[in-house]
Amino acid sequence: DQQVKQNSPSLSVQEGRISILNCDYTNSMFDYFLWYKKYPAEGPTFLISISSIKDKNEDGRFTVFLNKSAKHLSLHIVPSQPGDSAVYFCAASEAGNTPLVFGKGTRLSVIA
Amino acid sequence: DAGVTQSPTHLIKTRGQQVTLRCSPKSGHDTVSWYQQALGQGPQFIFQYYEEEERQRGNFPDRFSGHQFPNYSSELNVNALLLGDSALYLCASSGGTSRNSFFGQGTRLTVV
Repeated sequence: DQQVKQNSPSLSVQEGRISILNCDYTNSMFDYFLWYKKYPAEGPTFLISISSIKDKNEDGRFTVFLNKSAKHLSLHIVPSQPGDSAVYFCAASEAGNTPLVFGKGTRLSVIA
Repeated sequence: DAGVTQSPTHLIKTRGQQVTLRCSPKSGHDTVSWYQQALGQGPQFIFQYYEEEERQRGNFPDRFSGHQFPNYSSELNVNALLLGDSALYLCASSGGTSRNSFFGQGTRLTVV
């Protein structure tokens, strides 16, 4: 039973355009959500997070949107750059120091 | 400020052997979690250590054990290795009031 789902295994976007990565979750107890970027042969790099008390969080080119009623979040990258090409993981956790539950990832390719 | 460091980066072991992986958390972090990432999957939670005790455990057999030292560093031990234990093993640290976890570069374990 997958509690965090990233239904698009891959996404291709032209340089300079917007990249939108989506994530759905089923566990209503999740109250904190994170996005990580992963290059081959490296560990996941933390990008941005959002608490369930918010519906939007921005950090530079990265914005995360949370729709609690739909149990859906998305990561927007504007403008996309070739260096953004990587696998992006969505993760979620419940209140307290509970472990992260990850999706299977979406591979983003930004084409110059 | 050093981030999360893991050693070794790569390891090849024979089925039935035992392996120990090591992790030093980010400075100021007191909680260490271990994850297993199989090819094409998101990281799966193994266990979490805090104040030298295992605080939470995922769905992994007792062959997987760990330890946390007074300086917050941690070890992951796997006994009686199986071919299916081949994966990327990730260590993540967190601390204080932040719920963000930061990952090391991982240890690639290959069991032959």
